[in-house]
Amino acid sequence: NAGVMQNPRHLVRRRGQEARLRCSPMKGHSHVYWYRQLPEEGLKFMVYLQKENIIDESGMPKERFSAEFPKEGPSILRIQQVVRGDSAAYFCASSQLAGETYTGELFFGEGSRLTVL
Amino acid sequence: AQKITQTQPGMFVQEKEAVTLDCTYDTSDPSYGLFWYKQPSSGEMIFLIYQGSYDQQNATEGRYSLNFQKARKSANLVISASQLGDSAMYFCAMRGSSNTGKLIFGQGTTLQVKP
Repeated sequence: NAGVMQNPRHLVRRRGQEARLRCSPMKGHSHVYWYRQLPEEGLKFMVYLQKENIIDESGMPKERFSAEFPKEGPSILRIQQVVRGDSAAYFCASSQLAGETYTGELFFGEGSRLTVL
Repeated sequence: AQKITQTQPGMFVQEKEAVTLDCTYDTSDPSYGLFWYKQPSSGEMIFLIYQGSYDQQNATEGRYSLNFQKARKSANLVISASQLGDSAMYFCAMRGSSNTGKLIFGQGTTLQVKP
């Protein structure tokens, strides 16, 4: 079984360009989460999505950042007009369940490392 | 507000010895879960162990055990018989009563295992 797949693993952008990060959850998982890890820090929650729905975007910056999880295809985290402070590792995680049946199984991808020059 | 605190930025342990990584938490949710993840230098996040707040027994997974002291709000990770491959960053994390994969992470502890 394939795990959570993220691509690209490494992405370099110049200031002002757009970055698109993709995440394919584990087979059978319909809950996707994006996290950001700045250098020397822990992961910070950004957004929680189910198919075609944003459930919780309380950790998303108000501007330039957006996320989607379409009916078909991977989840996309999009960063417009990148700045140097966006340089970080972006992790996607997926789970099969949520709510009362949730038992803590959350699987992470290997991360996408964005460098803004 | 929920908070996770890991007070040890770095730890050393001799190979084959046991080591405890500290984690304290703060939450007003009656139901919550606590996680430990390992992040080796290659960068991926590896799930180690999970403890639910209502679990009666401390969680164990192989050489990993979670010393859960609810009254003290601590969830320390114990690694027994350390191996060189255990050298990594370790993160404690918590989810609240929303019961989803939205986790709050601590700052992490870097563990180095000496031969």
